[in-house]
Amino acid sequence: NAGVTQTPKFRILKIGQSMTLQCTQDMNHNYMYWYRQDPGMGLKLIYYSVGAGITDKGEVPNGYNVSRSTTEDFPLRLELAAPSQTSVYFCASSPTPRGNQPQHFGDGTRLSIL
Amino acid sequence: DQQVKQNSPSLRVQEGRISILNCDYTNSMFDYFLWYKKYPAEGPTFLISISSIKDKNEDGRFTVFLNKSAKHLSLHIVPSQPGDSAVYFCARSGAGSYQLTFGKGTKLSVIP
Repeated sequence: NAGVTQTPKFRILKIGQSMTLQCTQDMNHNYMYWYRQDPGMGLKLIYYSVGAGITDKGEVPNGYNVSRSTTEDFPLRLELAAPSQTSVYFCASSPTPRGNQPQHFGDGTRLSIL
Repeated sequence: DQQVKQNSPSLRVQEGRISILNCDYTNSMFDYFLWYKKYPAEGPTFLISISSIKDKNEDGRFTVFLNKSAKHLSLHIVPSQPGDSAVYFCARSGAGSYQLTFGKGTKLSVIP
C-alpha cells in the first residue's frame, strides 16, 4: 500500500520558471492538502481539496495553483518561481477533516529556487 | 500569531528514561490535538491524538495529557528508545477550519 506519493523528491528551479509538484494517493480519501515547511518552522497549509473538482485556499496560497480532476491526484503548480518559494512541500490526505482521522503525509518535495 | 507553540527546539534524553515534550496553545477552540513524528527526508507520521473532551490518552509507550485551564498539552514517552529520535510536531485541528495548525517542532535525541 503506497499511501501518498509525491514526485519529484528534489528539484532546483531558476527564478521565473514554472513547475508542477505531483501528488497521488491510493487510499480513496476525499480530502487532500498541500503544506510547505520552511526551515525551523511548522507546516503551513497552501491549498486543500474536499473532493474532485473542489479546491480552496489555505493560509499561504499566493504564488500557487491547484486542481483536482480525480480523487487520487492533487497537483500543485508554481507559475513564476521566486526565491521565497524555496521550501519543502508536503502533500497529505484524509478521509474526513476531523482530527480523529489523521492526515497521511507523503515524503515531501525539496524545492530550491535560485 | 503563533497559535500553537512548542517552546523547546530540542531535547536530549537518556535511553530508558522518560521524554516529555510540551505544547502550548492560545485559541481554546479546537477539535483535537495531534502529535506527529518526523524523521529526516520523510513526511510526518501520526503518533497519537487527544480529543478536546478528554484530559489523557494512552497508546503503548506514548501518553498525551491535556490541561485546558493552562492551555497546555504534553507528550510522554516511557521508556525512551533510540528509534524515538525524531522531530515531534504538535498540531491542532478543528476550530471551523480544515487545516492543521502546527507548532515549530521539538527535536528529540535519545542517547543510548
